[in-house]
Amino acid sequence: DQQVKQNSPSLSVQEGRISILNCDYTNSMFDYFLWYKKYPAEGPTFLISISSIKDKNEDGRFTVFLNKSAKHLSLHIVPSQPGDSAVYFCAASGAGGTSYGKLTFGQGTILTVHP
Amino acid sequence: SAVISQKPSRDICQRGTSLTIQCQVDSQVTMMFWYRQQPGQSLTLIATANQGSEATYESGFVIDKFPISRPNLTFSTLTVSNMSPEDSSIYLCSVYSTGELFFGEGSRLTVL
Repeated sequence: DQQVKQNSPSLSVQEGRISILNCDYTNSMFDYFLWYKKYPAEGPTFLISISSIKDKNEDGRFTVFLNKSAKHLSLHIVPSQPGDSAVYFCAASGAGGTSYGKLTFGQGTILTVHP
Repeated sequence: SAVISQKPSRDICQRGTSLTIQCQVDSQVTMMFWYRQQPGQSLTLIATANQGSEATYESGFVIDKFPISRPNLTFSTLTVSNMSPEDSSIYLCSVYSTGELFFGEGSRLTVL
């Protein structure tokens, strides 16, 4: 049972344009959501997060939107840069955020930003 | 932040053997975890490595297959026992520090 789903295995975007990565979840007990970025041969690195009490969180070029009623979140990157090319994982956790380390991850989306 | 080092970074193993992966953190952390990423799959939590007591395993993972040690607050090991090709994965150590979860670079195991 895949509780966190990223239905797009890959996304290709032109440099300077917006990248939108999507994520759906099924477990209504999730209340904290994160995005991680992963380069080849490296571990995932934290990018941005959002609590369920918010519907938007912004950090520079990265914005995460949460639609609780639809159980959907998205990551917007604008403007996209070639260095953003990586695998992006959506993750979710229950009460306590990541303090318990129990993140449920999606399958990942490979983002390629073309110059 | 936390800097995590894992050894080995990759290995090729024979069926039926066991391999131990080491995880070293540059600071003392209470919470350490082991994740697995099978080819084409998402990251899955194997267990929480508890200092001074047995690890806490997630559903589908057992101590006999994945014994874990946590002798102190900066070090842990995960052993993959009696390996089969289905154990070919990236195994990642992670720690909770300064409000976030950090990951090591992973250990890529290929079982022939």
